[in-house]
Amino acid sequence: GAVVSQHPSRVICKSGTSVKIECRSLDFQATTMFWYRQFPKQSLMLMATSNEGSKATYEQGVEKDKFLINHASLTLSTLTVTSAHPEDSSFYICSASSGGANTETQYFGPGTRLLVL
Amino acid sequence: GDSVTQMEGPVTLSEEAFLTINCTYTATGYPSLFWYVQYPGEGLQLLLKATKADDKGSNKGFEATYRKETTSFHLEKGSVQVSDSAVYFCALMRSGAGSYQLTFGKGTKLSVIP
Repeated sequence: GAVVSQHPSRVICKSGTSVKIECRSLDFQATTMFWYRQFPKQSLMLMATSNEGSKATYEQGVEKDKFLINHASLTLSTLTVTSAHPEDSSFYICSASSGGANTETQYFGPGTRLLVL
Repeated sequence: GDSVTQMEGPVTLSEEAFLTINCTYTATGYPSLFWYVQYPGEGLQLLLKATKADDKGSNKGFEATYRKETTSFHLEKGSVQVSDSAVYFCALMRSGAGSYQLTFGKGTKLSVIP
């Protein structure tokens, strides 16, 4: 089946630094990628949707200047948390869709746990 | 807005017990409904889905029926195994041109003991 990887799986950083998280579709071309954030014992909250080669669409309440999303190729999307603060600590999950007739199916990465000290 | 409510966990069952995880939703129109499963250390995987009323999704012994009259999509399995231990997420995707965003429930952790 379709595989999506995320790197790193876990990252600890100091407050004020920036952190980049990569999301890759390993065996298919992802026309659309989604970024979610998950708090403990909470549901996944969609942060933004990105289509290859175009600007990401952010959900209401998500700061686009803080969470920079780049989807430069059909197999890679990156999420950069800029000037991270402790409240940004969370579990970040990406998913990818190949589009077309399979648009409703999203394949999820294993997630990245971010801890900001 | 759209929302999904699923039973709070954790749920602990003995092997071969019957499983039900309740899920209800609120959405306009006719959403597609999904169950995702997340095994320890892995990403979410699609378990089953249903795209219209009265559809039954099934996979790996799990079933769920799209009930529009009760806005529900309860997950059931007749005989659980230890390998079914995971977190289960109910989700909906509202239909509409260009709209493919999933709305998730909070997840229900299932532990199956031998």
